[in-house]
Amino acid sequence: NAGVTQTPKFQVLKTGQSMTLQCAQDMNHNSMYWYRQDPGMGLRLIYYSASEGTTDKGEVPNGYNVSRLNKREFSLRLESAAPSQTSVYFCASSRDRLEQYFGPGTRLTVT
Amino acid sequence: EDQVTQSPEALRLQEGESSSLNCSYTVSGLRGLFWYRQDPGKGPEFLFTLYSAGEEKEKERLKATLTKKESFLHITAPKPEDSATYLCAVQASSGSRLTFGEGTQLTVNP
Repeated sequence: NAGVTQTPKFQVLKTGQSMTLQCAQDMNHNSMYWYRQDPGMGLRLIYYSASEGTTDKGEVPNGYNVSRLNKREFSLRLESAAPSQTSVYFCASSRDRLEQYFGPGTRLTVT
Repeated sequence: EDQVTQSPEALRLQEGESSSLNCSYTVSGLRGLFWYRQDPGKGPEFLFTLYSAGEEKEKERLKATLTKKESFLHITAPKPEDSATYLCAVQASSGSRLTFGEGTQLTVNP
């Protein structure tokens, strides 16, 4: 039982490049979330998916898109990366929208 | 708007020196208050959920309590392996989002 997995672990992009962060969970959870964590800002919600087939904006959605591919997988896409998107990205999942379980994170640097 | 404030920002303890971390919150109808532990370079690890004032939860040297305005994470006789950042989050009854505080960085010296 791997829990929540994320790929890649590290990534360096140039301004304007695009990339997709992948997330998968094997806990049969309905809800999945994408956060970013920045020093002095705490964890902030980017997008979430309360159930398969639905997605909603969180606190900081600008510059991102998401896809809930199936119940297990939830991806985050940066279409045109900017230095302000340098951050650590965490995926999380939850059963019945209660306590959330987090993945190990992706450390993204945009130069 | 839901808000969570954690104090202190950082705390240094000697091994065995008990203390408490504070989480003050404002939320429009509390569905749950959550405590997480985060080690450097890793994702947050779930510790506790508290649902109503007066509730308490314990796990090893940690005990979480809840009032209508704040939660405390009491650490009894801490060990160096308890060193981590402890995060508090609240969930309003109206939705599924969590609002996180910025955390308390705990260092326990041997």
